[in-house]
Amino acid sequence: RKEVEQDPGPFNVPEGATVAFNCTYSNSASQSFFWYRQDCRKEPKLLMSVYSSGNEDGRFTAQLNRASQYISLLIRDSKLSDSATYLCVVNEPNSGYSTLTFGKGTMLLVSP
Amino acid sequence: ETGVTQTPRHLVMGMTNKKSLKCEQHLGHNAMYWYKQSAKKPLELMFVYSLEERVENNSVPSRFSPECPNSSHLFLHLHTLQPEDSALYLCASSRDRVAAQYFGPGTRLLVL
Repeated sequence: RKEVEQDPGPFNVPEGATVAFNCTYSNSASQSFFWYRQDCRKEPKLLMSVYSSGNEDGRFTAQLNRASQYISLLIRDSKLSDSATYLCVVNEPNSGYSTLTFGKGTMLLVSP
Repeated sequence: ETGVTQTPRHLVMGMTNKKSLKCEQHLGHNAMYWYKQSAKKPLELMFVYSLEERVENNSVPSRFSPECPNSSHLFLHLHTLQPEDSALYLCASSRDRVAAQYFGPGTRLLVL
């Protein structure tokens, strides 16, 4: 059964705060992991891939824990423009083919 | 960004109409996807095409009919839709089925 679980939030944080989201996945054979952001009434946009060793892109840090089957996203020094829904995405190998499964998203609201 | 384009951006149709949504990707990708996103709901995968062959159909009603004439173009033909089909229809493409997907801006559909 395909399952990518996220806390829907919303997470309400002030500007400048650090916030972290977690996501758990059920398929131990998954190999690709991503974070996307989706603004209201817009399409999802790739934020960053998640690598086994962890990776950073400016204020954003992604981590993968294969043993516990979760990935995380850390946002430092939050900006108003970070307000969006963050989607955890995992590939789901299944009987010879694979595709990506999107979580339902975690909403972030950054206030002045 | 113009990697994945969709037309029309907005569409209003009656339940007896026939219309088509068009998607074009300029990224040289081999896989293309149709998703449905209803208001404040998560993404629902509808169809997957890989190298122009349909590889997944997630129990979508037959009133939705996809077509993939080549690796750059994807259509979604609509006929006798219901009001509950009103949603944002998103097209995406990826290098392969485990790679990151890139989304078009979507077609916002209203069925009256």
